[in-house]
Amino acid sequence: GDSVTQMEGPVTLSEEAFLTINCTYTATGYPSLFWYVQYPGEGLQLLLKATKADDKGSNKGFEATYRKETTSFHLEKGSVQVSDSAVYFCALRRTAGAGSYQLTFGKGTKLSVIP
Amino acid sequence: SQTIHQWPATLVQPVGSPLSLECTVEGTSNPNLYWYRQAAGRGLQLLFYSVGIGQISSEVPQNLSASRPQDRQFILSSKKLLLSDSGFYLCAWSVIGGAEPPSDTQYFGPGTRLTVL
Repeated sequence: GDSVTQMEGPVTLSEEAFLTINCTYTATGYPSLFWYVQYPGEGLQLLLKATKADDKGSNKGFEATYRKETTSFHLEKGSVQVSDSAVYFCALRRTAGAGSYQLTFGKGTKLSVIP
Repeated sequence: SQTIHQWPATLVQPVGSPLSLECTVEGTSNPNLYWYRQAAGRGLQLLFYSVGIGQISSEVPQNLSASRPQDRQFILSSKKLLLSDSGFYLCAWSVIGGAEPPSDTQYFGPGTRLTVL
């Protein structure tokens, strides 16, 4: 079945450090890929997405590139801020067929940014 | 603009008691609706989804049930809660209810934190 594997946290960085959160996936066909962010005590917000190979999703300084050859969708940011402290979820969705309504999530990576 | 509401925000219930969590969406028509559960230390698990009024699909067997009495209302229920039902319950919606393929993006509500004692 479909699965998403994220690097385990927690991740602690100093402000202005470079961030990478690794995400790899297993799925048939060509799924859509997402990064969601969950701030403390809140629901999930879509951060960025990519729907086909080599697409780059970007938002709020975060980027991720859909790499079909390595089945990866790593999240990066050049300079993190304290306000980026949150839990980040990588997810995929099949684009057709059984299970296409379902988002398959990774377990989440907690990021803490210290001043 | 579209908004999604969930209530209550937090809930503490004894084992064996009933449950009703409500989710409503505003600003859109005929959305797909979803219930997810986020258990401590685990990712999100899809529990139910609905593509229209009265149409519910269950992804995992459990003692929970869902109903969609109105186009933009989605209810999660249980007759008797178990300790293992504790978690953070998230409702989500996406565009294009009832059609294939569903919209890529799902929008999540603020969640309900349920503690079963």
